Amino acid sequence: GAGVSQSPSNKVTEKGKDVELRCDPISGHTALYWYRQSLGQGLEFLIYFQGNSAPDKSGLPSDRFSAERTGGSVSTLTIQRTQQEDSAVYLCASSLAEGARYGYTFGSGTRLTVV
Amino acid sequence: QQPVQSPQAVILREGEDAVINCSSSKALYSVHWYRQKHGEAPVFLMILLKGGEQKGHDKISASFNEKKQQSSLYLTASQLSYSGTYFCGTNTNAGKSTFGDGTTLTVKP
Repeated sequence: GAGVSQSPSNKVTEKGKDVELRCDPISGHTALYWYRQSLGQGLEFLIYFQGNSAPDKSGLPSDRFSAERTGGSVSTLTIQRTQQEDSAVYLCASSLAEGARYGYTFGSGTRLTVV
Repeated sequence: QQPVQSPQAVILREGEDAVINCSSSKALYSVHWYRQKHGEAPVFLMILLKGGEQKGHDKISASFNEKKQQSSLYLTASQLSYSGTYFCGTNTNAGKSTFGDGTTLTVKP
């Protein structure tokens, strides 16, 4: 696609429910990253994919968070048993090969609100 | 470790210049810069690789001092459209980037 597409754009969920966030990267971009941004804050790294494998999951806050990527393309971030502190904007970015050399293209994000 | 950005915020009049700094305690492979407007995704501005680069982009340019592990973003003759939050992202290797807390730039008429 022309850009990084994320869905849904907004999600309101009740505490304790599971949510799935989707990211569709730019076609041909092998690297995919998930970050989250709390209100007025910086970007917190969650997980990084190169192809379908995740060489760095160090940013996942707890075992309630998981992510997968299939076909070297679409990625889903799953949060189980959501808590209020999970409320944030979840941003996905993709990059041609290594983001460290080419920079990122970000999606518009999913705003998650846990009530 | 997260890079440190300074200043945290800056207010300018149209036509004035600004410099935003990004410092790391670790040896860097690359530094990249983004601008984020309220409610929008960060937009890539430029990337600088180790070797001590300087890049220009209209009236926005940046330098990377590999020895000092610092990068600076220069905005000259600022326009209203430059308002937003500027983030630097740093890489110590080919993996993930770590971002600073951002610098909020406000350009007033």
